[in-house]
Amino acid sequence: NAGVMQNPRHLVRRRGQEARLRCSPMKGHSHVYWYRQLPEEGLKFMVYLQKENIIDESGMPKERFSAEFPKEGPSILRIQQVVRGDSAAYFCASSLGPSDEQYFGPGTRLTVT
Amino acid sequence: GNSVTQMEGPVTLSEEAFLTINCTYTATGYPSLFWYVQYPGEGLQLLLKATKADDKGSNKGFEATYRKETTSFHLEKGSVQVSDSAVYFCALFFGNEKLTFGTGTRLTIIP
Repeated sequence: NAGVMQNPRHLVRRRGQEARLRCSPMKGHSHVYWYRQLPEEGLKFMVYLQKENIIDESGMPKERFSAEFPKEGPSILRIQQVVRGDSAAYFCASSLGPSDEQYFGPGTRLTVT
Repeated sequence: GNSVTQMEGPVTLSEEAFLTINCTYTATGYPSLFWYVQYPGEGLQLLLKATKADDKGSNKGFEATYRKETTSFHLEKGSVQVSDSAVYFCALFFGNEKLTFGTGTRLTIIP
């Protein structure tokens, strides 16, 4: 039973480019969460999605960031026009239900040059 | 709002030493409490958890007790190993979808 998959594991983008981060939840999980870990800091919640719905995006910057979790396929976190401050590790977690344990993926480390 | 305060690191100990990493929380109500561990270059793994007051979570020799009166969930291990070197995160969860994490404590064990 595969765990949460994230790709790519490492992503380098120049300022102004777009970054797309993908997350495939564990089999049977329909709840996905995105967290961001800035260097030497803890994880901060960004967004919570269920299939085709955004449930809570209170932690996501209002501009340049968007997330989706389509009926088919992985969840995507998109960052448009990246800036140096977007450099961080982005972790995805999934759960069976909203009150259930969240299982984390290995993360995508984004570097903006 | 809800928050978690963790003992600041880094913490460096010799092998077989006793470990305590402090964690206190602020929340309205009684959340579930977790300790996660992050090994170098990897994602977070759940280490242990407690869902109500006085519960003790334990795993791999680590323990933490949910103390409602002091709003604490300190992580302890009686004898650490080099393989315990990692970053440890305390977190709370209300079942309202998102985890709230502390800033993490980097632990290094010297042989």
